Amino acid sequence: DAKTTQPPSMDCAEGRAANLPCNHSTISGNEYVYWYRQIHSQGPQYIIHGLKNNETNEMASLIITEDRKSSTLILPHATLRDTAVYYCIVRVQGYLQGAQKLVFGQGTRLTINP
Amino acid sequence: EPEVTQTPSHQVTQMGQEVILRCVPISNHLYFYWYRQILGQKVEFLVSFYNNEISEKSEIFDDQFSVERPDGSNFTLKIRSTKLEDSAMYFCASRQSFSGNTIYFGEGSWLTVV
Repeated sequence: DAKTTQPPSMDCAEGRAANLPCNHSTISGNEYVYWYRQIHSQGPQYIIHGLKNNETNEMASLIITEDRKSSTLILPHATLRDTAVYYCIVRVQGYLQGAQKLVFGQGTRLTINP
Repeated sequence: EPEVTQTPSHQVTQMGQEVILRCVPISNHLYFYWYRQILGQKVEFLVSFYNNEISEKSEIFDDQFSVERPDGSNFTLKIRSTKLEDSAMYFCASRQSFSGNTIYFGEGSWLTVV
């Protein structure tokens, strides 16, 4: 799986949009971008994933650049409960790919300030 | 919303004792995983399990570790003779087969070896 690079920490004011960047310059054509977060020591929580089109769900939006070398996770109206470590993970997807484990890096520690 | 459940939430054990951590994956899922996170460190992959056999394991998953799916619902991680360095949060995860590739995590079992 391709390597990702994320800033170690970011701050955002409550109510503002939090934009978390991720670089994945070695991503290959069949690799998806996944985002998870971990609040305190809870289990990692799935947020969103995408291949090349922008994606939106009830939690967040994912913007992937046209060359797919980077992406941004957007939390549109951050709350204090969004304080967590956010992980950007690149992973092959498909039922022929076997177990397809997730490989976690250090992630970005996002702090939402009141 | 279906979720992965884990028991116990916290266990304290003496060094050298056997420990079994239990997980109930989401009911229609076919791939199962164990991860661990030592305090302050990354989430690390231990093992994946499919069709009643291990499909992949990490270097951490040595002969002291074993996994089992004893019935149609439970998935267990056994540590035969615990060491101090086994103290960590252990996360179980699961995913569907080809129709769903997102991996969902439980809330974890915190193991303290004394």
